[in-house]
Amino acid sequence: SQTIHQWPATLVQPVGSPLSLECTVEGTSNPNLYWYRQAAGRGLQLLFYSVGIGQISSEVPQNLSASRPQDRQFILSSKKLLLSDSGFYLCAWRETGTSSGNTIYFGEGSWLTVV
Amino acid sequence: AQSVTQLDSQVPVFEEAPVELRCNYSSSVSVYLFWYVQYPNQGLQLLLKYLSGSTLVESINGFEAEFNKSQTSFHLRKPSVHISDTAEYFCAVMYGGSSYKLIFGSGTRLLVRP
Repeated sequence: SQTIHQWPATLVQPVGSPLSLECTVEGTSNPNLYWYRQAAGRGLQLLFYSVGIGQISSEVPQNLSASRPQDRQFILSSKKLLLSDSGFYLCAWRETGTSSGNTIYFGEGSWLTVV
Repeated sequence: AQSVTQLDSQVPVFEEAPVELRCNYSSSVSVYLFWYVQYPNQGLQLLLKYLSGSTLVESINGFEAEFNKSQTSFHLRKPSVHISDTAEYFCAVMYGGSSYKLIFGSGTRLLVRP
């Protein structure tokens, strides 16, 4: 079966420091991968999605970037964090090439607090 | 622009009472519809989905939702709620030809009281 792992689960970082959140998916090949952010008391906003290694699409202009160095690895980064980057970050994946490929599954999330 | 509307930000209800969480989406020829549940400090779990076929879909824990194309709605219902159903519920839509991206509603917090 497929699983998704996301870490770290909780992170407190000072303003101006770098960020790296990592996500890996197991049990599938060539998944679509996504990063969502959930700000406090708000819905979910799609930040980035990737259909393959090195292929990243950004949905909104922001202080963050994403990379996909391997098929099942998705990394969210920032060189200098802002207070407004605080939130709950969720990695997600979609299986490709199957009849169930219209469903997106989420990881457990990473809480980021920028202080 | 494509959008999803969850009309209620919070729904308080007593245990064992029925509940309906409302969801409407902007019209499109082809849509896939989802309900996700988020328990405190956790990620999103898929509750149920409509991809095609029967317009009434059910989850394993007693929730159901009905796809109504004419009203562009996908309301979530449960005939009798439990304390453990307290959570945030998100409606989401995937539009055909959208590169398989989900658009979420703002969420509805279901608060079940004893």
